[in-house]
Amino acid sequence: DAGITQSPRHKVTETGTPVTLRCHQTENHRYMYWYRQDPGHGLRLIHYSYGVKDTDKGEVSDGYSVSRSKTEDFLLTLESATSSQTSVYFCAIPGNNYGYTFGSGTRLTVV
Amino acid sequence: SQKIEQNSEALNIQEGKTATLTCNYTNYSPAYLQWYRQDPGRGPVFLLLIRENEKEKRKERLKVTFDTTLKQSLFHITASQPADSATYLCALMQGSSNTGKLIFGQGTTLQVKP
Repeated sequence: DAGITQSPRHKVTETGTPVTLRCHQTENHRYMYWYRQDPGHGLRLIHYSYGVKDTDKGEVSDGYSVSRSKTEDFLLTLESATSSQTSVYFCAIPGNNYGYTFGSGTRLTVV
Repeated sequence: SQKIEQNSEALNIQEGKTATLTCNYTNYSPAYLQWYRQDPGRGPVFLLLIRENEKEKRKERLKVTFDTTLKQSLFHITASQPADSATYLCALMQGSSNTGKLIFGQGTTLQVKP
């Protein structure tokens, strides 16, 4: 979507390897969010950021870390990927009218 | 903790009919409740927001209601079209600002048949 991009779009990785997903925004917004989406669970918040170097945990943060060294970039790292982290990951920023704007997602498969 | 339930995983209707999707929540009433559309392989797209002091909100063929007594929101698509086929997500905002955390329901997949 305009203003927010995620990379990569797809990734297959092996159990135990580190993985980093990137979210890039051009809206200069302070807040950025990482969600994961799984069948039957909907979207669940992993971590969020409220400014450069300011981050906090969400509902399902175990096994994940984040970093925000620049306003435009929010990185999600799986230190040691597990099969339970196979999911679709979405990044989001607050948009107009109090709705969120989401990226197109990263489909991660851990084998 | 706050939970949201969308009462059906799938809904099939005939073109031209009105689709009605339900969203129920527990605990406290949120300041805002939102609806999103998600197409396969894409991120959710914001459709409508309704505030706790609003009973109804409309946008073109879409209508959302919010009943804080029943702790329920209804999402209606009138004169449905096959292009309306998608998954619809209900979400509530924790906090009263536009930077609060969103909690999502699991979604309802709508299929509109020609």
